[in-house]
Amino acid sequence: QSALTQPRSVSGSPGQSVTISCTGTSSDVGGYSYVSWYQQHPNKAPKLVIYDVSKRPSGVPDRFSGSRSGNTASLTISGLQAEDEADYYCCSYAGGYTFAFGGGTKLTVL
Amino acid sequence: QVQLQESGPGLVKPSQTLSLTCSVSGGSISSGRYYWSWIRQPAGKGLEWIGRIYSSGSTNYNPSLKSRVTISVDTSKNQFSLKLSSVTAADTAVYYCAREDYSDYVEVGYFDYWGQGALVTVSS
Repeated sequence: QSALTQPRSVSGSPGQSVTISCTGTSSDVGGYSYVSWYQQHPNKAPKLVIYDVSKRPSGVPDRFSGSRSGNTASLTISGLQAEDEADYYCCSYAGGYTFAFGGGTKLTVL
Repeated sequence: QVQLQESGPGLVKPSQTLSLTCSVSGGSISSGRYYWSWIRQPAGKGLEWIGRIYSSGSTNYNPSLKSRVTISVDTSKNQFSLKLSSVTAADTAVYYCAREDYSDYVEVGYFDYWGQGALVTVSS
């Protein structure tokens, strides 16, 4: 079980769109539709923003969307707002009833 | 609204056992619908899934930690607990408890409710 690969940082201006990638293998991201994404503000607990690759929990703005192609999942945030500035983590089922997280991506809103 | 709260010693000596408890309110662990997980985060680093438990006591663990981890549940107190043995400085982290929900028969999914986290420092 290895950590999933995310870019260390991404940035965008208010109103723009950004995409964060999460690369795994056919044993995790590419093999199961159980990819989730979490938003974490400083010194706060993570918050679920996407589950099952592309589903949004109630209360999460539709500016947040998820997708997957092969072994790479992506989180896209459109219409960037200042409050979106946070760390984002992907998570995937990795078989054997275990989970793997990505290393995290720091999103900066310029 | 489900709430989770971690509790336990904030300082543990090297080679000893780290023990934390997660108290759940606003929902019953014994309802049987959800799994209950522990996840940790070293300062400035990413998240690491430690393991999970079902109300029946059935557990799954991260293979990299399996030899040192025990997760247990006390449905009468609506709590579940983590024990991590033989700790070193590398185990210093914020430890989160979380509820895992799922969408289908495979019963693996996503973490929809989290505790606020408990900082545990391993130091002599």
